[in-house]
Amino acid sequence: GNSVTQMEGPVTLSEEAFLTINCTYTATGYPSLFWYVQYPGEGLQLLLKATKADDKGSNKGFEATYRKETTSFHLEKGSVQVSDSAVYFCALSANSGGSNYKLTFGKGTLLTVNP
Amino acid sequence: EPEVTQTPSHQVTQMGQEVILRCVPISNHLYFYWYRQILGQKVEFLVSFYNNEISEKSEIFDDQFSVERPDGSNFTLKIRSTKLEDSAMYFCASSVRGLLTNEKLFFGSGTQLSVL
Repeated sequence: GNSVTQMEGPVTLSEEAFLTINCTYTATGYPSLFWYVQYPGEGLQLLLKATKADDKGSNKGFEATYRKETTSFHLEKGSVQVSDSAVYFCALSANSGGSNYKLTFGKGTLLTVNP
Repeated sequence: EPEVTQTPSHQVTQMGQEVILRCVPISNHLYFYWYRQILGQKVEFLVSFYNNEISEKSEIFDDQFSVERPDGSNFTLKIRSTKLEDSAMYFCASSVRGLLTNEKLFFGSGTQLSVL
């Protein structure tokens, strides 16, 4: 079946530090890959996505590249801010064998950025 | 940006009781979902709903669970007889066209269900 494994947290960084959150996946076929973010007290929001190999998704200074050869979709940001403190979820969307697609999530990684 | 609204934000119930979790999806969306996250575990798919019927459900979604769109605006998840292991954060989500087009899901902020 489909699965997503992402880096265990929590991750604590100082402002302006470099961020990497690792994500690897197992899927049949060609999944689309997503990063969702959950800020405190809010719902999950789509941060970025990539729908085919070598695509790079980017948003708000975050980037992730769909690497089919390593089945990875690592999230990176060059300089984090306090406002980036949130839980980050890696996810994939693939046909589950029926007629519908569904999202398969990782456990989430809590990021705390200190001033 | 439009939001998915979930109520209540916290629900405490006794084992064996029925609970109804409520969601108001975004008004022009057609696909609706419930996911849950048990503390420390992955966010898990429960069910998807389209055109007034379940389009897919996971093995978690057994006979104790049901969903309904009673009035064209609300989307509810009912657990008939809660168990301790149902304690989790439940997320409602909606989308216009469904994931087949890789469209994003809009999630609510979740209902934390605690079964005692």
